[in-house]
Amino acid sequence: GENVEQHPSTLSVQEGDSAVIKCTYSDSASNYFPWYKQELGKGPQLIIDIRSNVGEKKDQRIAVTLNKTAKHFSLHITETQPEDSAVYFCAGDSNYQLIWGAGTKLIIKP
Amino acid sequence: GAGVSQSPSNKVTEKGKDVELRCDPISGHTALYWYRQSLGQGLEFLIYFQGNSAPDKSGLPSDRFSAERTGGSVSTLTIQRTQQEDSAVYLCASSRGGGGGNQPQHFGEGTRLSIL
Repeated sequence: GENVEQHPSTLSVQEGDSAVIKCTYSDSASNYFPWYKQELGKGPQLIIDIRSNVGEKKDQRIAVTLNKTAKHFSLHITETQPEDSAVYFCAGDSNYQLIWGAGTKLIIKP
Repeated sequence: GAGVSQSPSNKVTEKGKDVELRCDPISGHTALYWYRQSLGQGLEFLIYFQGNSAPDKSGLPSDRFSAERTGGSVSTLTIQRTQQEDSAVYLCASSRGGGGGNQPQHFGEGTRLSIL
């Protein structure tokens, strides 16, 4: 079955700098890779997703890249702001469900 | 539009009591998922519904846990004879389509369960 690994577990960056979170997956049949942001005390919210027929997708300051050959995908956040502080989860699809990474706590230093 | 709604938002109960958690998915979403999240941890899959059927109950931690879904809509997760290790946030998510994992899941805000 699918296994998704995410790193780093904690990432601290200076406000205004970029942040990159990486995930690897094991199932070559996976085709859908979403990223979620979870703020304290709230449910995870979808921020961006990518399907296997594209290599990159952007939405303002957020981008996701996918390398199907190497089975890894990454979240890029540019010009980080205090409101980007949260836990971020990656996932990959497997049959009827999503298999989740363990999460990355992103800290934005003022 | 309305998102996924969970109730109660917080529940405190004594060890040994039964609790029932409710999830109202987004209208028209046929797939529904329950997860458990312990403090500072990731998402632990519990159960998946497609319509009213639960093809995969493999994530339920013990036979004290059960879930049902009626009318292809509302779902309830029941925990019997609660234990302290059941304390966690219980999250519900729903998605469109025939149950493939390749659709976005939309989450509720969760129920924070505390067992005294």
